[in-house]
Amino acid sequence: SAVISQKPSRDICQRGTSLTIQCQVDSQVTMMFWYRQQPGQSLTLIATANQGSEATYESGFVIDKFPISRPNLTFSTLTVSNMSPEDSSIYLCSVGRGDTQYFGPGTRLTVL
Amino acid sequence: GDSVTQMEGPVTLSEEAFLTINCTYTATGYPSLFWYVQYPGEGLQLLLKATKADDKGSNKGFEATYRKETTSFHLEKGSVQVSDSAVYFCALSDRRGSARQLTFGSGTQLTVLP
Repeated sequence: SAVISQKPSRDICQRGTSLTIQCQVDSQVTMMFWYRQQPGQSLTLIATANQGSEATYESGFVIDKFPISRPNLTFSTLTVSNMSPEDSSIYLCSVGRGDTQYFGPGTRLTVL
Repeated sequence: GDSVTQMEGPVTLSEEAFLTINCTYTATGYPSLFWYVQYPGEGLQLLLKATKADDKGSNKGFEATYRKETTSFHLEKGSVQVSDSAVYFCALSDRRGSARQLTFGSGTQLTVLP
């Protein structure tokens, strides 16, 4: 398995501002993923973050809105830029180990 | 493309009742199959998994069997507890042996009443 932490655990932000979410893993991993879970919904993959290369974004998500950094094999950040109330969601990072993904506790974001 | 269809919720059961949450999938290859659980206010936890046909995953009294002939991975528990109240997600990964992108079902909310 993997021990994954996220910061912050929750935040309330004003419209038009940006928030950077951090994801820390207890050991080196090649693949890290960022998901969004809108209220009452399932998870949607935002992007895959591999160390040393640009993140790969899924359809409907763009780098200008969700810039991602992956400076090393244990850490990644996701920024939610120019936020609107529609960005209110839980944001989760996950890591791949073998055929399994393990998830962090999530960041609960509310945009007013 | 790959897809996962889960039983619609919410599901409400009394303590010690039998639980089944249906999950069927569509995939072009040989996926691994997973059940994740999300307790209130928390992230996703891996509940169990199966990587090939006829494998049975089990954990905490929950079981699911990978049925290739019916493309199903139904979650069962013989006697649920109040503490099992959570949202359950069925998911598949599209390549056995590597952590590839997960495809999730819509989730099933389970409430267990004392």
